[in-house]
Amino acid sequence: DTAVSQTPKYLVTQMGNDKSIKCEQNLGHDTMYWYKQDSKKFLKIMFSYNNKELIINETVPNRFSPKSPDKAHLNLHINSLELGDSAVYFCASSHLNLGGGNSPLHFGNGTRLTVT
Amino acid sequence: GEDVEQSLFLSVREGDSSVINCTYTDSSSTYLYWYKQEPGAGLQLLTYIFSNMDMKQDQRLTVLLNKKDKHLSLRIADTQTGDSAIYFCAERGLTGGGNKLTFGTGTQLKVEL
Repeated sequence: DTAVSQTPKYLVTQMGNDKSIKCEQNLGHDTMYWYKQDSKKFLKIMFSYNNKELIINETVPNRFSPKSPDKAHLNLHINSLELGDSAVYFCASSHLNLGGGNSPLHFGNGTRLTVT
Repeated sequence: GEDVEQSLFLSVREGDSSVINCTYTDSSSTYLYWYKQEPGAGLQLLTYIFSNMDMKQDQRLTVLLNKKDKHLSLRIADTQTGDSAIYFCAERGLTGGGNKLTFGTGTQLKVEL
């Protein structure tokens, strides 16, 4: 199946721990994203990578570090987890849109992170 | 910055039409999208409209765009219980080279029998 797949689907951990979320896409896209959805369902972009290079970096704490080993993978590592990090994290991919392009984002099913 | 606003809830009876509204502030918007999110799932693209168009129809879905007022709407004809979900509008402007999609706050659609 062609898709954006994230692992794990659920992640429960304690404050202060370090955890990673993995994302892979087989859609042939060259651009990948991480979005955070909070408890009120509000979606906010965190990062975007194109061909392993960072192109969007919103105001996100330094504890969040994305890593893109190749254009089909974008992982998210979070250090020193805090209660406020609890959310659903969505990975997405698309072709690169340059000044007027229209490649819609395709989303994974999300990773629900709960920090206790 | 870019802001996208939606009403939080909408309740309709099965068989009626649903209209979900969205307003945005970004004057450089090129494309606007509607996504559907069912419980426990990711966002599924429903439809999109280019900013130079004012209407697009796709089966039961009709998108209307008033670019002057920066107002976007999604009409679902003959709404079914399977349409119950959260609907997000999103706009693509020129921020981030055109790669940044800014999402609205989401509208929870509840379809009652």
